[in-house]
Amino acid sequence: TQLLEQSPQFLSIQEGENLTVYCNSSSVFSSLQWYRQEPGEGPVLLVTVVTGGEVKKLKRLTFQFGDARKDSSLHITAAQPGDTGLYLCAGSRGSNTGKLIFGQGTTLQVKP
Amino acid sequence: DAGVIQSPRHEVTEMGQEVTLRCKPISGHNSLFWYRQTMMRGLELLIYFNNNVPIDDSGMPEDRFSAKMPNASFSTLKIQPSEPRDSAVYFCASTPMGNQPQHFGDGTRLSIL
Repeated sequence: TQLLEQSPQFLSIQEGENLTVYCNSSSVFSSLQWYRQEPGEGPVLLVTVVTGGEVKKLKRLTFQFGDARKDSSLHITAAQPGDTGLYLCAGSRGSNTGKLIFGQGTTLQVKP
Repeated sequence: DAGVIQSPRHEVTEMGQEVTLRCKPISGHNSLFWYRQTMMRGLELLIYFNNNVPIDDSGMPEDRFSAKMPNASFSTLKIQPSEPRDSAVYFCASTPMGNQPQHFGDGTRLSIL
């Protein structure tokens, strides 16, 4: 059972286009993290969202946590080839153990 | 600053052999996690430790897998005997405590022939 469903799984776009990646669940999470992973490397944290309805911006990336804390989205404006990679969402149930549940990931390719 | 260090980076071995993966967490981090990543199943948590003590090993596939953390600066994940379906990238991650962001190593790409 995949508790966090990411969509789309694969996305190939042209430089300059906008895109949105979704992370959905039927479960409530105390916080949700977004990671980016490049080939041959481990995931690297982009952002953590904690409050329902929270919006965080990181340059051209906008992250939103759903009001019910069951879903999240990542929006990239004017994508660049350097944004290419695997984007992973990960939810925490708040047990203070640090245990995360990861989505399957969205592979993004931005073509110049 | 040194990040999480994993070794080896690549391992190719024949089925039936014992495989040992190693991880050095970031100094001062109290929690350590072992993950396995495949195309089919994504990133799966195998086991994690808090203060060197295994807390949850429910993700360990079967008895062929074992993990130890003899001290705060070293952990191993062992597969014995290895099987082709164990082929994957294995990641180690550490975090200072609780629900802090996880810092990942660059992984060990394991191929069992």
